[in-house]
Order: sequence, then C-alpha cells, then structure tokens
Amino acid sequence: AQSVAQPEDQVNVAEGNPLTVKCTYSVSGNPYLFWYVQYPNRGLQFLLKYITGDNLVKGSYGFEAEFNKSQTSFHLKKPSALVSDSALYFCAVRDTGGSYIPTFGRGTSLIVHP
Amino acid sequence: EPEVTQTPSHQVTQMGQEVILRCVPISNHLYFYWYRQILGQKVEFLVSFYNNEISEKSEIFDDQFSVERPDGSNFTLKIRSTKLEDSAMYFCASSVQGTSGNNEQFFGPGTRLTVL
Repeated sequence: AQSVAQPEDQVNVAEGNPLTVKCTYSVSGNPYLFWYVQYPNRGLQFLLKYITGDNLVKGSYGFEAEFNKSQTSFHLKKPSALVSDSALYFCAVRDTGGSYIPTFGRGTSLIVHP
Repeated sequence: EPEVTQTPSHQVTQMGQEVILRCVPISNHLYFYWYRQILGQKVEFLVSFYNNEISEKSEIFDDQFSVERPDGSNFTLKIRSTKLEDSAMYFCASSVQGTSGNNEQFFGPGTRLTVL
C-alpha cells in the first residue's frame, strides 16, 4: 500500500525568507514522488517529480525538493518566497511495485506575507 | 500551452438527480482520470480510463458512477443519483502515458458539485 502525509495544514512565511513544505510517504517498493500546486480557481499544476537519480530535484518557479530515503521524506523548498507563491501544495506518491495511480496528500496551504 | 478544461465550474443539484461533469483532456494524451476532493480533505482517485475502457477504479467509484468518452475530445463523469456526500470538487486529469507511472498528470480547474 502507498500513502503520503502532509503534516502541516498551513505554512506561513515572510516574503524573501526560505520556505519548506513537508511531505512524508510510505511505500512497499520504491517511490515516484510528485509535487503539485493549486492556485485559486485553477487545477493542480505539476511542479516537479523524483523518479530516480539525484536526490535534489529542481522544478518550476524556483522550487526544489529533496528526496530522503532514510527519512521517507520529499520536502518542497524554495530559497526565497514570493507573495505569488501563496497557494495550495499537494504531494503525491506512487509505489513502483503497485498501482500506477498516485496517492495525493491533503494539501498544505502556503501563505507568504509581504 | 495546452490545458485540460472542465465544465461547468459549479453545478448545484438536488439529491437523487443525475449529473454529468464534462472534461476535455489535452489532445495528444491517452490516459484520463477523475479525482474528487471533499472540502478540507485529500484528493481522492476515482477512476482511470484508457483505450475506451476503465483501467482502474477505486472503492469510491461504485455503480452510481460511470465514465464515457463519447467522442474524440470529451471525457465525462456521470453520477446517476446524487447523494449529499457526493458534494465535492471533481478534477479531471490526463497524461501522455499511464502505466509507466512516472509521467505527471495535467489537471483541469475542477467542477464544484453541490448536492442539496
């Protein structure tokens, strides 16, 4: 079985400060991991993914995420937050040994204050 | 940039009525999906569709639900007799491939279904 947890419902950060949105996962095999962002009245937009290779994955809009196998985490990061980054962020995982359908987390609301 | 579109953006219906939610996936994509998100809860998988048939479905996708690709562009989700608990945001998604599992999905903006 595959599962993903986003332990924070909301993250608040000041503009210009680094941000982290947390995600942990559980799979029986190896994970494919994804981050999506949802702006108001829009669908989920793909940000980045980890399939294999380098643990640090770079994606759209200056975001990056670090795959940590020992901690089963895939936290989303950005060195300097923008007000326009305020949105809902979803982590998703797919177990390579199971269904090809990813499981999504509940989402974390990121609020960047000016 | 191509995108997935969904209509309507908001649907209000009475309990027991049938609703059809419509989606136009990205034109060269082969795999189509429906998800739903009840307010404040996680995004839940409903069904995936490939080559004009359901390839996978979740426990949520019971006999009240059906999907169809009536023509070369539309992908629909039908709920035959809506219940109050069907109130949610319904997302359509598509991807170029599905079974490899490492392709990202492209999501539509969602249809908010309210059952009264």
